[in-house]
Amino acid sequence: GEDVEQSLFLSVREGDSSVINCTYTDSSSTYLYWYKQEPGAGLQLLTYIFSNMDMKQDQRLTVLLNKKDKHLSLRIADTQTGDSAIYFCAERDTGRRALTFGSGTRLQVQP
Amino acid sequence: DAGVIQSPRHEVTEMGQEVTLRCKPISGHNSLFWYRQTMMRGLELLIYFNNNVPIDDSGMPEDRFSAKMPNASFSTLKIQPSEPRDSAVYFCASSAPDRGYGYTFGSGTRLTVV
Repeated sequence: GEDVEQSLFLSVREGDSSVINCTYTDSSSTYLYWYKQEPGAGLQLLTYIFSNMDMKQDQRLTVLLNKKDKHLSLRIADTQTGDSAIYFCAERDTGRRALTFGSGTRLQVQP
Repeated sequence: DAGVIQSPRHEVTEMGQEVTLRCKPISGHNSLFWYRQTMMRGLELLIYFNNNVPIDDSGMPEDRFSAKMPNASFSTLKIQPSEPRDSAVYFCASSAPDRGYGYTFGSGTRLTVV
């Protein structure tokens, strides 16, 4: 079955760039997603990328996709304390509407 | 749009009681999903509906769990009887083909079974 793996924790200083990594196993993934979860809240869709793209930029966020290695990353430029949250990677394969989520990476931004 | 609306936000119940969680998806979204989140197991898909029809309920833990979607604007997840191991945050999400079929999540229901 599908599997999505992420590292558990990342700590950065305010103003630095953060890079959160994700690997997945499903070679038929069509869309890949990054979600953000703040304490006590639901998951918020940050950005997504279609599998025939290798990069997508949206303001401070840059998503890189290496389909050959099944590796997805999220770069947050000029990280702020408000970026502290748990970030989830997710994938959707052909024909299945349900997403498979990773276990989440907790990003801690130190002032 | 008010987003995906879940109720209640918090529920504390005694073991053996029936619990009903409610969800109102975003208007126009034709897929609805129920997930459970715990520290130990992360996010688990319980069931999802497409056009009000259950498509995949393989994640429903056991017969104590049931879900319905009687119309496009309402879904329920029922646990009867509830057990302490059911304690978790239950999320409802809905999606449509825009935004790459990405979900919009509700704020969740935190269930505590004592």
